[in-house]
Amino acid sequence: GEDVEQSLFLSVREGDSSVINCTYTDSSSTYLYWYKQEPGAGLQLLTYIFSNMDMKQDQRLTVLLNKKDKHLSLRIADTQTGDSAIYFCAESCGYNKLIFGAGTRLAVHP
Amino acid sequence: DGGITQSPKYLFRKEGQNVTLSCEQNLNHDAMYWYRQDPGQGLRLIYYSQIVNDFQKGDIAEGYSVSREKKESFPLTVTSAQKNPTAFYLCATEGTGAATLSNQPQHFGDGTRLSIL
Repeated sequence: GEDVEQSLFLSVREGDSSVINCTYTDSSSTYLYWYKQEPGAGLQLLTYIFSNMDMKQDQRLTVLLNKKDKHLSLRIADTQTGDSAIYFCAESCGYNKLIFGAGTRLAVHP
Repeated sequence: DGGITQSPKYLFRKEGQNVTLSCEQNLNHDAMYWYRQDPGQGLRLIYYSQIVNDFQKGDIAEGYSVSREKKESFPLTVTSAQKNPTAFYLCATEGTGAATLSNQPQHFGDGTRLSIL
């Protein structure tokens, strides 16, 4: 069945780059998403990439997609304390269905 | 402002009680979803509705019920049959249909945290 996997924790120093990785199993996924969740809040859409693209850049965020290896990454440049949150990778599987990873908790320290 | 409103923010359930979580949207989106989030896990789909008066079971529908009488509203009832209801519940919407030819990501409300008394 469909599955999305992410590492659970990442710790970075303020000002460094963060790279959050994700692997997925459904090769027919059309879109892949990154969401951010702050404590006690809902999910905020950060960015998404269409499956025929290799890279998408949006200000400090860079998404890389390796479709052959079914690997997705989110790079956050110049990471700030406000970036501390849980980041979810999700793949679209069929009409209106998203499969989420368990989330990566990003901790940013001085 | 356009958005998704979930209420209440916190809810407590007694043994044998049914409780209803509210989700209202003014984004004019056709599709609405309910997810459950447990600590250290991703979101799991409970129910979804693509159009008024129609809804489908998700992956973990047992012990839950929904209705979709209006486009703006998609309430979720957690019944007494749900033996482990303690979780964070998230409602999402998505624009669909002929008017939305490009990708329409799902947008989320701020969630309701349900606990057992």
